[in-house]
Amino acid sequence: DTAVSQTPKYLVTQMGNDKSIKCEQNLGHDTMYWYKQDSKKFLKIMFSYNNKELIINETVPNRFSPKSPDKAHLNLHINSLELGDSAVYFCASSQAADYGYTFGSGTRLTVV
Amino acid sequence: RKEVEQDPGPFNVPEGATVAFNCTYSNSASQSFFWYRQDCRKEPKLLMSVYSSGNEDGRFTAQLNRASQYISLLIRDSKLSDSATYLCVVNAGGYQKVTFGTGTKLQVIP
Repeated sequence: DTAVSQTPKYLVTQMGNDKSIKCEQNLGHDTMYWYKQDSKKFLKIMFSYNNKELIINETVPNRFSPKSPDKAHLNLHINSLELGDSAVYFCASSQAADYGYTFGSGTRLTVV
Repeated sequence: RKEVEQDPGPFNVPEGATVAFNCTYSNSASQSFFWYRQDCRKEPKLLMSVYSSGNEDGRFTAQLNRASQYISLLIRDSKLSDSATYLCVVNAGGYQKVTFGTGTKLQVIP
């Protein structure tokens, strides 16, 4: 069983569309994250939820909205997609801040 | 000064060589440290935590130098499969203060 699974793996869409990425973890971790990795490979935190509560909300456009229906799921919805949103989006989970993260395999988003 | 800095490389080393990477951090209050490896077009995977006393896992040794504010990763007897980007991660306390370095690329050559 995959520990952190995210879907879809690839997403190609036109500017202006709305899309969602889903993430699920079966590790029993309390905290889940969304990271964005741009073309320069820099991993930047976007959001984090701890037991369904938003604890990190970095400066990202409000076109990005996370949603955590329960502590095993964290989804990311993106409205009005722009070219600059093209990147790899990684979901991750951890038991606590001082523990290492387990990452999903990533969603490669391409906006055309 | 960046919060976490790594030499991007690439480090090109022959098989069997020993190679070491450093990662410097700016926040002296940093509490926990990790090394991850990321293969091309894959997700980062936790390689090892870095403990104050240093720790070893097979061919990999991690060290922490609080006085000079850096962590290091030593790889002995490099294998072709060690080729990857190595990311250091520093936690200055709490979820909001976890910072990833931009990675050091290692290429092990036959």
